[in-house]
Amino acid sequence: QKEVEQNSGPLSVPEGAIASLNCTYSDRGSQSFFWYRQYSGKSPELIMFIYSNGDKEDGRFTAQLNKASQYVSLLIRDSQPSDSATYLCAVIMGYGQNFVFGPGTRLSVLP
Amino acid sequence: GAGVSQSPSNKVTEKGKDVELRCDPISGHTALYWYRQRLGQGLEFLIYFQGNSAPDKSGLPSDRFSAERTGESVSTLTIQRTQQEDSAVYLCASSLLAGGTYEQYFGPGTRLTVT
Repeated sequence: QKEVEQNSGPLSVPEGAIASLNCTYSDRGSQSFFWYRQYSGKSPELIMFIYSNGDKEDGRFTAQLNKASQYVSLLIRDSQPSDSATYLCAVIMGYGQNFVFGPGTRLSVLP
Repeated sequence: GAGVSQSPSNKVTEKGKDVELRCDPISGHTALYWYRQRLGQGLEFLIYFQGNSAPDKSGLPSDRFSAERTGESVSTLTIQRTQQEDSAVYLCASSLLAGGTYEQYFGPGTRLTVT
């Protein structure tokens, strides 16, 4: 069974802190990983993608991938109240570009 | 450039009626996906198109749901004899799926309410 798991949260962090969001996946052969942000009442918005082991940084966001551990994370530095949203992890699994989304982690950044 | 568009943005229908939801993908994107998201829930995969063929229809919840796509452009999701449990936001996404580019981009969604 193709699965992507995330803690549902809510994850609460104070403004200015680092928020760490984690995701594990079941298919060891997966090669493509994505993080989406979804504000309440809005559609998911792509914020990061990562295909290689290691870290990828974009502004305040860093995606970390460890294929051996089947683990991908998203770090948000200097968290802002505007970062409060649900963060969805997505993984392409198997053949046919099967996108599998995790259930999402709700992040709350407290002013 | 233009993103994924969906219409209508909101649809209220009576139980038992048929509805059609439309998705216009980003120009040149070969792959198109439909998802359903109930209030407070995660994304539920419905169907995936590569061009105008649908290699994966595994997520369609019943035979009341069908979808088609014209070439590599517009897709229509049809729900026949709507039920109250069909009330949800229906999201469409498209992806290039070529040249190492696999990201999906979502449209704004259609909020369907079945009364």
